[in-house]
Amino acid sequence: DSGVTQTPKHLITATGQRVTLRCSPRSGDLSVYWYQQSLDQGLQFLIQYYNGEERAKGNILERFSAQQFPDLHSELNLSSLELGDSALYFCASAPAIPSGELFFGEGSRLTVL
Amino acid sequence: EDQVTQSPEALRLQEGESSSLNCSYTVSGLRGLFWYRQDPGKGPEFLFTLYSAGEEKEKERLKATLTKKESFLHITAPKPEDSATYLCAVQARGGSYIPTFGRGTSLIVHP
Repeated sequence: DSGVTQTPKHLITATGQRVTLRCSPRSGDLSVYWYQQSLDQGLQFLIQYYNGEERAKGNILERFSAQQFPDLHSELNLSSLELGDSALYFCASAPAIPSGELFFGEGSRLTVL
Repeated sequence: EDQVTQSPEALRLQEGESSSLNCSYTVSGLRGLFWYRQDPGKGPEFLFTLYSAGEEKEKERLKATLTKKESFLHITAPKPEDSATYLCAVQARGGSYIPTFGRGTSLIVHP
């Protein structure tokens, strides 16, 4: 158990819909990362927050947004969903920056029909 | 742009048959190279960090090594429980310090 909690574990929705994925980092970790994992792309970095502020952005679509709240949990919002958004979405946390030792949650599997 | 290429994509071994996984990287100044293990349906689990060429790290049947262009994950006398996908990631000095991951090597060890 990494100590990172992600909900929901599975989500099935239709194209055009909006979903919110939630992440609670390990106790004491200030940094949260969001990654997308699909079979053809591997683990792709989306966005990073540190102590409530956005620190880095990867290949995150404009339809996607995220935030980190004062209690350090984070949410990833995916809107106007397309079939190609079906993937595993991982949240990871780390105590500080820089860190390559990330603690990953078990992921949220999103299926868009 | 940082790049990580892992080979082979998939590897099947018999129990006890030692082998190596390769991670080739291109990065503008390496801060660290990381190995992770990912079991099906789970998140990646951190294994090792390597910082400089010549460095080695060991954990049970796994040994990671680093050169200026690549890293190897050696698996000695593997067991079926070593079956997993092994991911390599690099972190560049400066900038955002975001780890860039390779696509992984899927390892299956047959009893």
